[in-house]
Amino acid sequence: DTGVSQNPRHKITKRGQNVTFRCDPISEHNRLYWYRQTLGQGPEFLTYFQNEAQLEKSRLLSDRFSAERPKGSFSTLEIQRTEQGDSAMYLCASSLSKVSGNTIYFGEGSWLTVV
Amino acid sequence: AQSVSQHNHHVILSEAASLELGCNYSYGGTVNLFWYVQYPGQHLQLLLKYFSGDPLVKGIKGFEAEFIKSKFSFNLRKPSVQWSDTAEYFCAVYAGGTSYGKLTFGQGTILTVHP
Repeated sequence: DTGVSQNPRHKITKRGQNVTFRCDPISEHNRLYWYRQTLGQGPEFLTYFQNEAQLEKSRLLSDRFSAERPKGSFSTLEIQRTEQGDSAMYLCASSLSKVSGNTIYFGEGSWLTVV
Repeated sequence: AQSVSQHNHHVILSEAASLELGCNYSYGGTVNLFWYVQYPGQHLQLLLKYFSGDPLVKGIKGFEAEFIKSKFSFNLRKPSVQWSDTAEYFCAVYAGGTSYGKLTFGQGTILTVHP
């Protein structure tokens, strides 16, 4: 499978614990995105990497959230001191920057439930 | 900041009926437009996209969409729906420039097709 890969697919954690999600983008894609989706809503942008550089962060991304993309390959999204409001699907996506257009491909997502 | 509005939250049709899902965006500059589909239990998949050129674009599974710049709209259509089209449909906009390919999504339209 050469699509965007995310793990774990599901995570249940107690409030206050830290969680980390991993994303492996499509090979050679230089752009990587994290989105969050809650029930009944469309995905909301969290952050974006071009290669290893984190170029944009949404105001949705509180100080408890941190994302990295070492070496410009896979990425991790860590949530510290989780809260019940963090319960959502965390989507990773990747794309290859082109002058003519930029098609973004999504992974299957990582479901987080904070109890 | 750009925004995307999808007119209908839930559409219910019988098989063979025609489909049109509305999408309007707010952004005055050059845009790239997308429709994504999310089948039950699956990840977001690209249905079709508009970057430039012919404003009538055709996608997979018989779907098409028309970009009407003057109306800031990108409505999705299908002449005859099938039960297998039951899914949630998301319209998304990429505003270009410094958006780095960041997509802004609508809230989604759930389509239920009865056999």
